[in-house]
Amino acid sequence: AQSVAQPEDQVNVAEGNPLTVKCTYSVSGNPYLFWYVQYPNRGLQFLLKYITGDNLVKGSYGFEAEFNKSQTSFHLKKPSALVSDSALYFCAYHTGGFKTIFGAGTRLFVKA
Amino acid sequence: NAGVTQTPKFRVLKTGQSMTLLCAQDMNHEYMYWYRQDPGMGLRLIHYSVGEGTTAKGEVPDGYNVSRLKKQNFLLGLESAAPSQTSVYFCASSARHRGDQETQYFGPGTRLLVL
Repeated sequence: AQSVAQPEDQVNVAEGNPLTVKCTYSVSGNPYLFWYVQYPNRGLQFLLKYITGDNLVKGSYGFEAEFNKSQTSFHLKKPSALVSDSALYFCAYHTGGFKTIFGAGTRLFVKA
Repeated sequence: NAGVTQTPKFRVLKTGQSMTLLCAQDMNHEYMYWYRQDPGMGLRLIHYSVGEGTTAKGEVPDGYNVSRLKKQNFLLGLESAAPSQTSVYFCASSARHRGDQETQYFGPGTRLLVL
């Protein structure tokens, strides 16, 4: 079965430190992978996506993600975390047939 | 350009009551979606539409109906609300051009409490 897993419910990091939010996937076909961020009482906002090509994808707000086919991972990273990065992050796989599979979400806390 | 808007923002219903959630987008997107978000479960697709006048079932369609009479609007109806439908509902839209490579744009959500 196709699935997207975010193994950590919560990630805590100090401001200025690098952050990683993990995502692994199990899909058939082309892996169109996305990261979305949700701030409190807001809808999801697009951060970045991997469709094809360069495995390192750069997105909004200084975030990047690395597509790793052998490890079936698409981890979200940022070199230096900000307090304002604190939010709920979702990894997602857009399938054919208009069904998007979302991970359960990872809550990121960045402490000043 | 407002993007995707949803009304209402918050609603409390009693079991058995009905209501309609309205979603509107001004990006001329062909595709629209309704999701529900529950703690620890990510988002799950309720219904979707690939164009005006067409709708289809998603992952969790039971207890909901939808209509897309105009391209810019996508309505989600609850005919007889149940406590299990307490959730946060998100509408989203996307362009048709590259199908599942396209980014989805989300509304701010409707928080529904069914007592």
